[in-house]
Amino acid sequence: DVKVTQSSRYLVKRTGEKVFLECVQDMDHENMFWYRQDPGLGLRLIYFSYDVKMKEKGDIPEGYSVSREKKERFSLILESASTNQTSMYLCASEQVRDGYTFGSGTRLTVV
Amino acid sequence: AQSVTQPDIHITVSEGASLELRCNYSYGATPYLFWYVQSPGQGLQLLLKYFSGDTLVQGIKGFEAEFKRSQSSFNLRKPSVHWSDAAEYFCAGVGDTDKLIFGTGTRLQVFP
Repeated sequence: DVKVTQSSRYLVKRTGEKVFLECVQDMDHENMFWYRQDPGLGLRLIYFSYDVKMKEKGDIPEGYSVSREKKERFSLILESASTNQTSMYLCASEQVRDGYTFGSGTRLTVV
Repeated sequence: AQSVTQPDIHITVSEGASLELRCNYSYGATPYLFWYVQSPGQGLQLLLKYFSGDTLVQGIKGFEAEFKRSQSSFNLRKPSVHWSDAAEYFCAGVGDTDKLIFGTGTRLQVFP
């Protein structure tokens, strides 16, 4: 089975900190995605990547950036964390519309 | 714009009762459609998917879903709910943008 691993389950960061959320998949998938999940809003796409060093903005990219230096790793970066970025962050990988495989999520609290 | 709508925010059923969770989509062409389940504090697990062909698809944990083009629906069903089915359920679709779009989710509560 494909495994998508997010490095942290819970994080607490201070306002203004630079935050890195790491995601690694072990099945050589081309496509990777970052979503945030908030009550009543469902999952919203932040950024996605179809290949190494390639990135595309999703629906809510403001305040975020991403890095994909290796195929298996897709990092989400909060350049200067703010309280409105407190959320659950979910990473996913996909092989050609076969359904996404999600990590367990990182619950980020910005204080 | 392409969208997926789950009209029910919260549903409560008794254990052993049947279940239907509603999902409507808005896509120009036939989309790829999915149902995911999320237990508290966990990531999302794929229950089933529809790409083409037979409009009734079977998934894991005894779930099934039926694609109805005339109603733009992809409702999830289970004939007899178990207490362990209590979770949040997400319908999602991929259209011509190649991006997976989620509904806002339906929280299922199961009473003994």
